[in-house]
Amino acid sequence: NAGVTQTPKFRVLKTGQSMTLLCAQDMNHEYMYWYRQDPGMGLRLIHYSVGEGTTAKGEVPDGYNVSRLKKQNFLLGLESAAPSQTSVYFCASSYQGYSSEQYFGPGTRLTVT
Amino acid sequence: DQQVKQNSPSLSVQEGRISILNCDYTNSMFDYFLWYKKYPAEGPTFLISISSIKDKNEDGRFTVFLNKSAKHLSLHIVPSQPGDSAVYFCAASAHGQNFVFGPGTRLSVLP
Repeated sequence: NAGVTQTPKFRVLKTGQSMTLLCAQDMNHEYMYWYRQDPGMGLRLIHYSVGEGTTAKGEVPDGYNVSRLKKQNFLLGLESAAPSQTSVYFCASSYQGYSSEQYFGPGTRLTVT
Repeated sequence: DQQVKQNSPSLSVQEGRISILNCDYTNSMFDYFLWYKKYPAEGPTFLISISSIKDKNEDGRFTVFLNKSAKHLSLHIVPSQPGDSAVYFCAASAHGQNFVFGPGTRLSVLP
């Protein structure tokens, strides 16, 4: 089992460009999450999904969109990248929500210049 | 305002000694807590959890203590090993809510 994988691992964007981060999990988990991690801060939830075809906003959703067309995939889109979106992005999945440990991918380091 | 705080950004401990990592929270509705460990260039990995109905949970060298009245939890690692050097995050959740993560504490275990 690969667990949770993320594509790409690194990316540099210019302000205003768009991109999509792909997350895939092979554990048949219902719940999937996108977080960002910035220096001195914990992981902050951007968007999450409680099942195929569903998405919901987290703590810091502005500037991002997500889609969960297939149970195993969760896509995070940046329509018009801004320097404030420079961060490390982590995808995670879990069997259920509350009281369920989350399994994380290795992260995507995004720099917006 | 951070709901989950880890006031020590870093901690250094000698190999073989005890490491104690602390976490404080402000939301009294939090009733489930997790600790994660993160190595550089990797995602966080789950370490240990505790529910508010308990005040202690143990797994091998790792023990988590919960003091609900003080809104404080701590992770004890005994004995500490060089491979334990990592960033440790605590996370808290209220029933039906998403987890809130602390900023992390970087532990260095010195040989």
